Amino acid sequence: QITLKESGPTLVKPTQTLTLTCTLSGFSLSTPRVGVAWIRQPPGKALEWLSLIYWDDDKRYSPSLKSRLTITKDTSKNQVVLTMTNMDPVDTATYYCAHSPDGGSSWDHWGQGTLVTVSS
Amino acid sequence: EIVMTQSPATLSVSPGERATLSCRASQSVDINLAWYQQKFGQAPRLLISGTSTRATGIPARFSGSGSGTEFTLTISSLQSEDFAVYYCQQYYNWYTFGQGTKLEIK
Repeated sequence: QITLKESGPTLVKPTQTLTLTCTLSGFSLSTPRVGVAWIRQPPGKALEWLSLIYWDDDKRYSPSLKSRLTITKDTSKNQVVLTMTNMDPVDTATYYCAHSPDGGSSWDHWGQGTLVTVSS
Repeated sequence: EIVMTQSPATLSVSPGERATLSCRASQSVDINLAWYQQKFGQAPRLLISGTSTRATGIPARFSGSGSGTEFTLTISSLQSEDFAVYYCQQYYNWYTFGQGTKLEIK
């Protein structure tokens, strides 16, 4: 059974760096073609893809946020970590991690999401 | 960036009736399109990928069609649990989502 769970701070201050961890279960990020993505959703708004890491450590970033994002994986811990620098109140959102069985397409399993509020 | 536009923003349909949701891409995405369902306070759930392939466990009343820039999600006979927000997503060039269609009970 594939599950993902996001963890991290619920509140960050403007200009701070956000670090989120996605803990994976039921699959390995060393399995060929598997990918894990981060996607966010501001309150009442649509979904926005942020970043994706593949089983072979290839990484992709949203062009509009690329300068602020870093994605890494720790296969031994079954974790994927996303950092986002220079946080702003507009970054307030629920952050999801999600699994893709074939790298760069759709996401068939999602975490429950974690709400991050950016406020001083 | 490929912009995905969904219509209508809100769709009111009675249980048992058919619902048709539309998604348009600003440029061709071939068949690289997925649909998700999201209920309030929950994560999105994958319904369809590759324009028309239902995900595991998705009932047959959900179907997808289209190609290029025009896509449709059809729910043949609405059940109470189907009232939610639906998003389309292209994965032809990076990943972008539509703004969603809220399917509400008429």
